[in-house]
Amino acid sequence: GEQVEQLPSSLIVQEGASVLINCSYTDSASVYFPWYKQEPGKRLQFIIDIRSNMERKQTQRLTLLFDKKTKHLSLHITATQPGDSAIYFCSASIDSNNRIFFGDGTQLVVKP
Amino acid sequence: GPKVLQIPSHQIIDMGQMVTLNCDPVSNHLYFYWYKQILGQQMEFLVNFYNGKVMEKSKLFKDQFSVERPDGSYFTLKIQPTALEDSAVYFCASSLGGAQDTQYFGPGTRLLVL
Repeated sequence: GEQVEQLPSSLIVQEGASVLINCSYTDSASVYFPWYKQEPGKRLQFIIDIRSNMERKQTQRLTLLFDKKTKHLSLHITATQPGDSAIYFCSASIDSNNRIFFGDGTQLVVKP
Repeated sequence: GPKVLQIPSHQIIDMGQMVTLNCDPVSNHLYFYWYKQILGQQMEFLVNFYNGKVMEKSKLFKDQFSVERPDGSYFTLKIQPTALEDSAVYFCASSLGGAQDTQYFGPGTRLLVL
């Protein structure tokens, strides 16, 4: 089945810094890639997604890049704030059934 | 954003007993999902449900598991009988459409089987 990997597993940055989270997947049938963030003790919160017919998507301080050839995604967060501290999950979904395969998550800590 | 609710937030039961986890999905959503996350491990898909039927289930969805949504009420995951390895956090999600539609997650139910 699909396998999703994320790197790094954790990041500690100073407020204002930019961060990059990398994600790779294995199944070329995956066509939809939602990202979620989870703050301590809270639910997964959808933050951004991209479909396989796109290369880039941007919303506010988030930019998501997708390379279908290399099966690689990267999430860029600019001007980080302490409120961005959370675990960020990359995920992949095959068109037919919408089951999501999650990565292990990247723990981001933004220090004030 | 849209909120999915889960009841209870925590459940402790003895091995062999039955447990029902309840999910209140987003009101106009049509597709429902359960995921399981064992402490320190990846979140994994269990099952998805649409129009009163299981659409797909993973190998984690054992024979002891069942799902239903009677008359548009809670979407439930029942485990009967429970086993020690069922201890995990169970997340419910719902989406308006199926493929490639955003899934919204509940806060999870932490199940501990003793």
